Amino acid sequence: SAVISQKPSRDICQRGTSLTIQCQVDSQVTMMFWYRQQPGQSLTLIATANQGSEATYESGFVIDKFPISRPNLTFSTLTVSNMSPEDSSIYLCSVVSANTGELFFGEGSRLTVL
Amino acid sequence: GQQVMQIPQYQHVQEGEDFTTYCNSSTTLSNIQWYKQRPGGHPVFLIQLVKSGEVKKQKRLTFQFGEAKKNSSLHITATQTTDVGTYFCRHGQNFVFGPGTRLSVLP
Repeated sequence: SAVISQKPSRDICQRGTSLTIQCQVDSQVTMMFWYRQQPGQSLTLIATANQGSEATYESGFVIDKFPISRPNLTFSTLTVSNMSPEDSSIYLCSVVSANTGELFFGEGSRLTVL
Repeated sequence: GQQVMQIPQYQHVQEGEDFTTYCNSSTTLSNIQWYKQRPGGHPVFLIQLVKSGEVKKQKRLTFQFGEAKKNSSLHITATQTTDVGTYFCRHGQNFVFGPGTRLSVLP
């Protein structure tokens, strides 16, 4: 199993500002994933963060809006840039077990943009 | 990537009633995973099914993978209030989740 710590757990931000979410894993992992979950919706994959290379973004998500860092095998950050109320959501960090393919999630970061 | 659909979107049951959610794909799935997300929580892995026609049980939960490996079901017998949450299926070889079925259990 993997233990994932995310922070902040929640924040209220003003329109036009940026927020960086941190994700720390208790073991070394090759891939880390960032998901967004809007109220009452399913999880939408934003991007895959690989150590030592650029993140891979899913359709509809761009690096300028959601820059990602992956400085080592246990840590990643996701920045939500130039926020608008439409960015209000829960952002979840996730890793996959190499043995079972199971996904482990952090507790999530609930973002409210006013 | 392969998309999976789930029905129903919502289900309200009386405590003690049974509940079933279905996950369907238009293409063959190599495996299927089920997750549960409690209100205010994060998704938690329940089980993975790999073989055609596979059936697995966890206490009151029964998971089934279709013979053609294009659909799967999760059945809960005699629901309890602790079963409340959203149940998601996921094709184990990509990172896309189904839309989920939200279960409400009335005491």
